[in-house]
Amino acid sequence: EAGVVQSPRYKIIEKKQPVAFWCNPISGHNTLYWYLQNLGQGPELLIRYENEEAVDDSQLPKDRFSAERLKGVDSTLKIQPAELGDSAVYLCASSSSVIAKNIQYFGAGTRLSVL
Amino acid sequence: DAKTTQPPSMDCAEGRAANLPCNHSTISGNEYVYWYRQIHSQGPQYIIHGLKNNETNEMASLIITEDRKSSTLILPHATLRDTAVYYCIVRVVGTGNQFYFGTGTSLTVIP
Repeated sequence: EAGVVQSPRYKIIEKKQPVAFWCNPISGHNTLYWYLQNLGQGPELLIRYENEEAVDDSQLPKDRFSAERLKGVDSTLKIQPAELGDSAVYLCASSSSVIAKNIQYFGAGTRLSVL
Repeated sequence: DAKTTQPPSMDCAEGRAANLPCNHSTISGNEYVYWYRQIHSQGPQYIIHGLKNNETNEMASLIITEDRKSSTLILPHATLRDTAVYYCIVRVVGTGNQFYFGTGTSLTVIP
């Protein structure tokens, strides 16, 4: 079974540029999460989707961050414009209350460096 | 949110059991305890979870105290590949599977 796939693995951009991250969850998982992980810290939830609906986006900085999950499968997280403080690892996870007892499975993450 | 407290770091000799403690003194009756680990440059990996009974799987054992205020993750025979950051997480049923990771315990397995 394929796991959660994220791309790109690494991204280097200059500040004020836009950037997008892509996530393909495990097949059949209806819940998708985006997390932010700063160096030396645990992951922090940015947004959670149930199918195509964003049901918890309270921690998403909406002035520059946006996300979408068209058709309730793949998801994209965008930052525009990026700031120096956005340098971090962006993790995607998926889960299913039916298939996998709500266990969250994580991708390898995208490491963003903003110069 | 129920929070957890873990020691920031621990060492363990290769081949010995690694016992990682976690305090969750404010845990409620319907809150599960999950353990994940994160090896450098990878995403967090699920290890085990439980509600009130002790649990065992192919990776580890989870011992939850009777009052549920603390738990211990046991890796029975630690290998160098078990070197990672281990997170103890309390999940509240009905909150949409929300996890709070904290800073975890950095386990180093020593040859």
